[in-house]
Amino acid sequence: GENVEQHPSTLSVQEGDSAVIKCTYSDSASNYFPWYKQELGKGPQLIIDIRSNVGEKKDQRIAVTLNKTAKHFSLHITETQPEDSAVYFCASDDGTSYGKLTFGQGTILTVHP
Amino acid sequence: KAGVTQTPRYLIKTRGQQVTLSCSPISGHRSVSWYQQTPGQGLQFLFEYFSETQRNKGNFPGRFSGRQFSNSRSEMNVSTLELGDSALYLCASGDGNNEQFFGPGTRLTVL
Repeated sequence: GENVEQHPSTLSVQEGDSAVIKCTYSDSASNYFPWYKQELGKGPQLIIDIRSNVGEKKDQRIAVTLNKTAKHFSLHITETQPEDSAVYFCASDDGTSYGKLTFGQGTILTVHP
Repeated sequence: KAGVTQTPRYLIKTRGQQVTLSCSPISGHRSVSWYQQTPGQGLQFLFEYFSETQRNKGNFPGRFSGRQFSNSRSEMNVSTLELGDSALYLCASGDGNNEQFFGPGTRLTVL
């Protein structure tokens, strides 16, 4: 079945630095790749997503890149702020099943003031 | 629009009991997916319903079941609870394509 690997498991940065989280997926049929942010006591929040016909997408301080040949995608956060501290999850679909996502194991991001 | 709501937020049950969790999706959304989140296994897909039909199912035992009503509200049921069923159960609402918006979850503790 589909497998999604996420690295690193923890990431600590200083406020204002950039943070990069990387994921690889196994199913070449995957074509939808969302990123979620989960704060303590809350459900995951969709922060950005990318589809396989696009190589990069930006939304203010957040960007996602996709390399379909290498089967990996990355989340880039610039000018990090303490409120960016949370657990971040990447995910992918399997190309055929709507409503079903496979998630990476998560990255705990800590932004130090 | 109001977000995804889940009830109850917290539940404590004992082994062998059964439990029913409820999810109300975003207004206009017809897809509801359920996930189990644990520290060890992470987020795992349980099943997805669209217009009252189960479209996809994950690799969970038959003790886990669900249904969806005509107003798109969904329930999931776990029978014969085991200690390992302790988890955060999340439901996600979608408009039928891939985008999913999660609720706050129901924290289930099995004693």
